[in-house]
Amino acid sequence: SQTIHQWPATLVQPVGSPLSLECTVEGTSNPNLYWYRQAAGRGLQLLFYSVGIGQISSEVPQNLSASRPQDRQFILSSKKLLLSDSGFYLCAWGRTGSGYGYTFGSGTRLTVV
Amino acid sequence: SQKIEQNSEALNIQEGKTATLTCNYTNYSPAYLQWYRQDPGRGPVFLLLIRENEKEKRKERLKVTFDTTLKQSLFHITASQPADSATYLCASGYSTLTFGKGTMLLVSP
Repeated sequence: SQTIHQWPATLVQPVGSPLSLECTVEGTSNPNLYWYRQAAGRGLQLLFYSVGIGQISSEVPQNLSASRPQDRQFILSSKKLLLSDSGFYLCAWGRTGSGYGYTFGSGTRLTVV
Repeated sequence: SQKIEQNSEALNIQEGKTATLTCNYTNYSPAYLQWYRQDPGRGPVFLLLIRENEKEKRKERLKVTFDTTLKQSLFHITASQPADSATYLCASGYSTLTFGKGTMLLVSP
């Protein structure tokens, strides 16, 4: 069966520090991968998605970047965190147009102080 | 671009009653709509998908309807239980999913 791992679960980082969140998927190949952010009291905002190795699409201009070095690995990064980067970050995998739902990871709660 | 709108007010119901949550979309009719459940501090979990040409879909105590005329999907939980308390999200899209902000459901014993 397919599983998705996301870590760490919580993170407190000072303003200006770098960030690296990792997500890996098991049990499937060539998945579409997604990074969403959920701010307090707000909906899920799509940040990046990838349909293959090295292919990244950015939905929102921001202080973040994403990379997909391997088929089942998706990394969210920042060189210098801002207070506004605080939120709940979720990785997900799915299939384009399949009509099947996304499978989400357990999320990372990031607090920038 | 597509907008997904859900009632932001929490829905409070008594155990055993049927909960009905609403999802409205603007612009074009999506090929399908999806419903997810999200518990506090957890990632959303996929529940049901209904296609444009389907009027209704059922899974155990869950039922989803899709009305392209009203541009609306209704999500029903029959015989609701306190364990059904969570936030329910509606989503639509092809290559990527756009989510509504979700509606919190509170089922009291």
